[in-house]
Amino acid sequence: QLQLQESGSGLVKPSQTLSLTCAVSGGSVSTAGYSWSWIRQPPGKGLEWIGSIYHNETTFYNSSLKSRVTMSVDRSKNQFSLEMSSVTAADTAVYYCARVSRYGMIPIWGQGTLVTVSS
Amino acid sequence: EIVMTQSPATLSASPGERATLSCRASQSVSSNLAWYQQKPGQAPRLLIYGASTRATGIPARFSGSGSGTEFTLTISSLQSEDFAVYYCQQNNNWPPITFGQGTRLEIK
Repeated sequence: QLQLQESGSGLVKPSQTLSLTCAVSGGSVSTAGYSWSWIRQPPGKGLEWIGSIYHNETTFYNSSLKSRVTMSVDRSKNQFSLEMSSVTAADTAVYYCARVSRYGMIPIWGQGTLVTVSS
Repeated sequence: EIVMTQSPATLSASPGERATLSCRASQSVSSNLAWYQQKPGQAPRLLIYGASTRATGIPARFSGSGSGTEFTLTISSLQSEDFAVYYCQQNNNWPPITFGQGTRLEIK
């Protein structure tokens, strides 16, 4: 059974870079047809898709975040990562990693990790 | 980008009652619509995909309907564990993946 686990910095200073990793177990990031994605949820608010990366490293980003976001895949460690630069308090959120099916549904989510942007 | 709009924002209902949640797309998404349930402190859980197909392990009291731009999630007889926030998501024209703003289903 595929499982995802987020890790990374829980507290980031304004203007710095947020870095998160999602470890994949019970499956491989090299599997074709799925996308590995990041979705965030500010406290008390709804879900916002950040971006997705495929096994061939093709990426798609939310247009509102594109200038600040980079996603990558590490096949040797079976994980994928998110970097978001120039963070502000508005980037404070629970960040989820997820596997999106080839049809665009999201049956598999990590448990989420809270990232707080504060000095 | 397809905008998803859910109504109502909050729905108050009692256990045993029927609950109906709505989701509207800004343009047709055919039947490519999914519903998720989220409880406090938990990740969202996929309930329905293809507008009407229950995901694995989802009880039969959850049903989805609709196509094009108008969709409905119905919970036939509310159980205590059903009080949560529900999101719709279109998967017809992605990326981007877009969600509705959510409907909070609360106990009356």
